[in-house]
Amino acid sequence: QSVLTQPPSASGTPGQRVTISCSGSSSNIGSNYVYWYQQLPGTAPKLLIYRNNQRPSGVPDRFSGSKSGTSASLAISGLRSEDEADYYCAAWDDSLSGPDVVFGGGTKLTVL
Amino acid sequence: QVQLVQSGAEVKKPGASVKVSCKASGYTFTGYYMHWVRQAPGQGLEWMGRINPNSGGTNYAQKFQGRVTMTRDTSISTAYMELSRLRSDDTAVYYCARVPYSSGWYGLLLDYWGQGTLVTVSS
Repeated sequence: QSVLTQPPSASGTPGQRVTISCSGSSSNIGSNYVYWYQQLPGTAPKLLIYRNNQRPSGVPDRFSGSKSGTSASLAISGLRSEDEADYYCAAWDDSLSGPDVVFGGGTKLTVL
Repeated sequence: QVQLVQSGAEVKKPGASVKVSCKASGYTFTGYYMHWVRQAPGQGLEWMGRINPNSGGTNYAQKFQGRVTMTRDTSISTAYMELSRLRSDDTAVYYCARVPYSSGWYGLLLDYWGQGTLVTVSS
C-alpha cells in the first residue's frame, strides 16, 4: 500500500492527451514538491517533472505537471508509442516519525 | 559525462548482509546527495535513504532504520549501501541516484541513476 495513490493503469491512442493522477495528504503533496519519473521496461527511472511542473532539459513539452492541494497530475499530450512506460510520482513526507520519501505505486501507460 | 556505475548482481542467503557500491564520475561527487531506491520484481519504487557525501550524514527511511547503512569514500567517489539481516522480500533491484545540493534539503531531483544491482535473497 503506497502512501501516494496512483491509478494502476492508463491508456490512450497516438495523438491523444492522457492524465495520470497522484493523490496524497497534507504531510506530503500538501506541503512539498511533487516529482514524476518515467521508467521504460528494463531500464532505470528517468526524471520527467520536478518541483511540481518543471521540465528538465531534454524532456519534451508534451509532458506537463500540476499540483493542487494534496493531489498532483501528470499530463501527456500528443501521445506517442514511445511513451508506453511506468510512471511514478514522488514527494517528501513530513511524518511524525521523521521525513521520508514516498512514491506512488506507479501507473502503467499503454499506447493502444 | 555523468555516470553512476554500480557493482554486479549478488545472491545472498537469508540473514546475511549485502553491500552495493555506486561509483560516480563526470561530476563533483561531494556536490550531490546520493539516494538509494529499490524495486522488487514487478513492483514499484521504494526509497531507502540518502547520504550527504560531503559530511557523511545520512537519512534513512523508517522502514529500514537499524538494517541499512550508507557510507561513502570520497577518495574514489564511491557510495555504498549495506543492508543486513536479509529476507526473501529484500530481493530487488537496488539503484543509486544523485540529487544536487542546490535543490535543497527537500530536493528530490534524482537526475542521474545507476544501472541497478539485482540482489537475490534465497536459501
